[in-house]
Amino acid sequence: GAGVSQSPSNKVTEKGKDVELRCDPISGHTALYWYRQRLGQGLEFLIYFQGNSAPDKSGLPSDRFSAERTGESVSTLTIQRTQQEDSAVYLCASSSLAGAYNEQFFGPGTRLTVL
Amino acid sequence: EDKVVQSPLSLVVHEGDTVTLNCSYEVTNFRSLLWYKQEKKAPTFLFMLTSSGIEKKSGRLSSILDKKELFSILNITATQTGDSAVYLCAEGRAGNQFYFGTGTSLTVIP
Repeated sequence: GAGVSQSPSNKVTEKGKDVELRCDPISGHTALYWYRQRLGQGLEFLIYFQGNSAPDKSGLPSDRFSAERTGESVSTLTIQRTQQEDSAVYLCASSSLAGAYNEQFFGPGTRLTVL
Repeated sequence: EDKVVQSPLSLVVHEGDTVTLNCSYEVTNFRSLLWYKQEKKAPTFLFMLTSSGIEKKSGRLSSILDKKELFSILNITATQTGDSAVYLCAEGRAGNQFYFGTGTSLTVIP
């Protein structure tokens, strides 16, 4: 079956522009996570969604970052007024349920470069 | 701030060697310890550990958790060039969040 997909795979943008990153989770997975991975670093939690519950936004680094998900489908991560420090790989993962006992399946990521 | 710390940061070995990767965590609402292999972009799941002293094994890879000393190890025996990757450790906590270490970069030389 299809895994987690993300688009675009690469995005180059100019400082100050807005970008939108997309994640298609595995069908039937109710939980969806967004992470940021800077060069040579581990994964930094940004936000997660569980079904129709309010998302946990505690990892978003600033109010320039926002994410949406409708039901158990596609999610978009939006970064407004991009800065050079936003350059990173943005990874999305889904799991059958949210929670520390449930394996996450990762997408291939979007590499964002802010010039 | 609670941290997940992996060591060594990087490792270069020859094919056939055995390696041990370390992951330590700080107990704050600990629920699980996970290992992932990251070759290009997408980490792929290896193991989830929740109980102390029970070894999980998959082929040449094995892992164990020590909840008293707050660490886990990942062993790879008879390494192959295909094992070259970054190995990530993550702590799953109550509240449905996962905290990742910075990874160990393993290079296996033919």
